[in-house]
Amino acid sequence: EPEVTQTPSHQVTQMGQEVILRCVPISNHLYFYWYRQILGQKVEFLVSFYNNEISEKSEIFDDQFSVERPDGSNFTLKIRSTKLEDSAMYFCASRTDFSDTQYFGPGTRLTVL
Amino acid sequence: GNSVTQMEGPVTLSEEAFLTINCTYTATGYPSLFWYVQYPGEGLQLLLKATKADDKGSNKGFEATYRKETTSFHLEKGSVQVSDSAVYFCALSDRETGANNLFFGTGTRLTVIP
Repeated sequence: EPEVTQTPSHQVTQMGQEVILRCVPISNHLYFYWYRQILGQKVEFLVSFYNNEISEKSEIFDDQFSVERPDGSNFTLKIRSTKLEDSAMYFCASRTDFSDTQYFGPGTRLTVL
Repeated sequence: GNSVTQMEGPVTLSEEAFLTINCTYTATGYPSLFWYVQYPGEGLQLLLKATKADDKGSNKGFEATYRKETTSFHLEKGSVQVSDSAVYFCALSDRETGANNLFFGTGTRLTVIP
């Protein structure tokens, strides 16, 4: 069964460094999402992406964040200058354009020191 | 706005006990409702969904009914197993926006003991 994949599974970085989190959505899906889950808290929406542009973003998704679909398969989340409070599990999700069911990847745990 | 309120955890049950995890929601439009499950060390997996009032979603012995009049989507299972130990998230999909972003509850950790 097709699934969403994410790399790396765990990323450790120093405060102020740039990180890129990678996702490969399910191949026939057209909507892509990033969510994050700070330890012990709820899963929060960051951004949605469709037709090569951002369709919606939350207040969390400020100028430090960007997303890109650099080729036909990858979907990336970049954090330009990481802060301690960016430490969280980041989930990628995707869906088709005819169902609102989102399928999630296993997540990338980001630790900012 | 959109929000989901979930029963606080953690919940600890003995094997074969009956499970209810309460979930209520507030939505600007007419959302789809979901339960996702997160097993230890893993990502979020869709457990079940319902898209309109009085629909019942079911999977792996779990059930939830979309109750528009009480804005609820409570998760139930008649007889839990140790393998059901996980964190359960209630969520809604905002169909007012084309992107159908998900809004999650805080999650309820379930531990089933033999």
